[in-house]
Amino acid sequence: QQKVQQSPESLIVPEGGMASLNCTSSDRNVDYFWWYRQHSGKSPKMLMSIFSNGEKEEGRFTVHLNKASLHTSLHIRDSQPSDSALYLCAAPGTGGYKVVFGSGTRLLVSP
Amino acid sequence: EAAVTQSPRNKVAVTGGKVTLSCNQTNNHNNMYWYRQDTGHGLRLIHYSYGAGSTEKGDIPDGYKASRPSQENFSLILELATPSQTSVYFCASGDSDWGQDTQYFGPGTRLLVL
Repeated sequence: QQKVQQSPESLIVPEGGMASLNCTSSDRNVDYFWWYRQHSGKSPKMLMSIFSNGEKEEGRFTVHLNKASLHTSLHIRDSQPSDSALYLCAAPGTGGYKVVFGSGTRLLVSP
Repeated sequence: EAAVTQSPRNKVAVTGGKVTLSCNQTNNHNNMYWYRQDTGHGLRLIHYSYGAGSTEKGDIPDGYKASRPSQENFSLILELATPSQTSVYFCASGDSDWGQDTQYFGPGTRLLVL
């Protein structure tokens, strides 16, 4: 069964610092990913998606994708306390499943 | 933005009782999903649907049934609730035809089975 692995499980960064989150799929056919953000007590919301090799930047958020290694990473620069949340990585499923989610990285930005 | 609503938002049930969780989406998306979220497990797919009248089993379907009577509505049914089904349940919708769904989530239902 396909797995999406995220690391680290939790991360603490100081306000203004850089947060780096990682994600890998076990399915060699996967070539795109989504990143979702879930604030405490809320539902997940799609933050960014990446469909091609390389880098995509939106404001303080940058996503990298390396299709050869099935690896994506999310980088948050100038981290703010409002960025504190659970970050979920997702990839297209195989075997009839639509999307597979990782267990998430819990980010805490300390003021 | 996609609008997905869930009811009830909170539910307390007794072991062995029947529980129905409801989901409604107003964006005419073909695909709908039911997940549960537990600490350390992320989001796990229970059932999903490609359209009215269809339901498919996800990763953890045991103990759950699903019903998709219309494009807008997707229900999750626990015929005989157990304490292990205590969790937060999320419904989501998406509109891709080939599995590249961006998922739009409802606000969640917090279920406690005593």
